[in-house]
Amino acid sequence: QVHLVESGGGVVQPGGSLRLSCAASGFTFSNYAIHWVRQAPGKGLEWVALISYDGTIEYFADSVKGRFTISRDNSKNTLSLQMSSLRSEDTALYYCVRDMTGSYDYFDLWGQGTLVTVSS
Amino acid sequence: ETVMTQFPATLSVSAGESISLSCRASQSVTDNYLAWYQQKPGQAPRLLIYDASTRATGVPARFSGSGSGTEFTLTITSLQSEDFAVYYCQQYSDWPRTFGQGTKLEI
Repeated sequence: QVHLVESGGGVVQPGGSLRLSCAASGFTFSNYAIHWVRQAPGKGLEWVALISYDGTIEYFADSVKGRFTISRDNSKNTLSLQMSSLRSEDTALYYCVRDMTGSYDYFDLWGQGTLVTVSS
Repeated sequence: ETVMTQFPATLSVSAGESISLSCRASQSVTDNYLAWYQQKPGQAPRLLIYDASTRATGVPARFSGSGSGTEFTLTITSLQSEDFAVYYCQQYSDWPRTFGQGTKLEI
């Protein structure tokens, strides 16, 4: 079975940092671009970041640019989202999501998400 | 940024009915680069439709997508109990990728 499993969420104070991880299984991880999509409590979906299959291309939403970084280790089938200078508006469930086509289009496999709460 | 607007926000329906959900883009979505997702409570979203009208693997035929340009529609015929969920549209013709705010189907 194909899976994406996120971890690393928690409660952090405004201005703090947190590192999210995503572990992939059941498919050839190194063939796929991966995105992060977040969902604030009771709200809709917001695309956050993308990393290409080989890690050479990264895109970020303006709302997180300069504060979040993304990386991957294809030898370990893992992905990370390093978040810093966190704000209350970053509070959300963060999903690790597989890009279906390789053209950074739409998302055919979602993890269950990890919750980040930014609060003092 | 392409803003996606879905309407209605909430739709009260009954099992067995057929319904259409609307999604409007603030600018033309090139090549019909539009997807639909279904999200049930406590679950991650699930891809239903891509390229505006192509069903994803395993999606029942009662789900269909249509539209072009700035107007898109998700149609569900003969609603089943498991179809009560929130539905999101998403464009991928422009950066950043953006979602609509969702339409909730409720009994």
